[in-house]
Amino acid sequence: GENVEQHPSTLSVQEGDSAVIKCTYSDSASNYFPWYKQELGKRPQLIIDIRSNVGEKKDQRIAVTLNKTAKHFSLHITETQPEDSAVYFCAASTGANSKLTFGKGITLSVRP
Amino acid sequence: SQTIHQWPATLVQPVGSPLSLECTVEGTSNPNLYWYRQAAGRGLQLLFYSVGIGQISSEVPQNLSASRPQDRQFILSSKKLLLSDSGFYLCGGLVNTEAFFGQGTRLTVV
Repeated sequence: GENVEQHPSTLSVQEGDSAVIKCTYSDSASNYFPWYKQELGKRPQLIIDIRSNVGEKKDQRIAVTLNKTAKHFSLHITETQPEDSAVYFCAASTGANSKLTFGKGITLSVRP
Repeated sequence: SQTIHQWPATLVQPVGSPLSLECTVEGTSNPNLYWYRQAAGRGLQLLFYSVGIGQISSEVPQNLSASRPQDRQFILSSKKLLLSDSGFYLCGGLVNTEAFFGQGTRLTVV
């Protein structure tokens, strides 16, 4: 089955700096890669996703890149703000109605 | 759009007591449904998933069980809770590739 790994487990950045969170996956058949943000005690919320037919997607301060050859994808947050502090999960799926496998999550702290 | 109602939001139960957490889905039919557990400071651990009524797959051995008596209803149960069952439980759904979650249940076993 699919195995999604996320490193490191914590990341601390200064407000205004950029943050990059990386994930690797094992199943070459995976073709959908969403990212979720979870604030303390709340449900995860989808923030951006990418499909295997594109290499990069951007939405304001957030971007995701995908390297299918190396089987890794990354979340990029620019001009970080304190409200970006949360746990971020990456996930991978092999397609419609397939099981979504999550990484273990990374705790991002943005220092004011 | 699809939503998941999950209850209760918080629960404190003594060791050895039974458990029943329920979630219901609105806005879609025949979703894949999931139960995840999130221990403090850790990631989302998939416990059970269901692709249809009465169809349950278990991902990890444990004293928990799941049932799906109706298309839009997913229940997580235990006959006797352990201290190690404490955590944040999330009910999730998947329609095509879009995942959505309930509000979560904070379970504390004392």
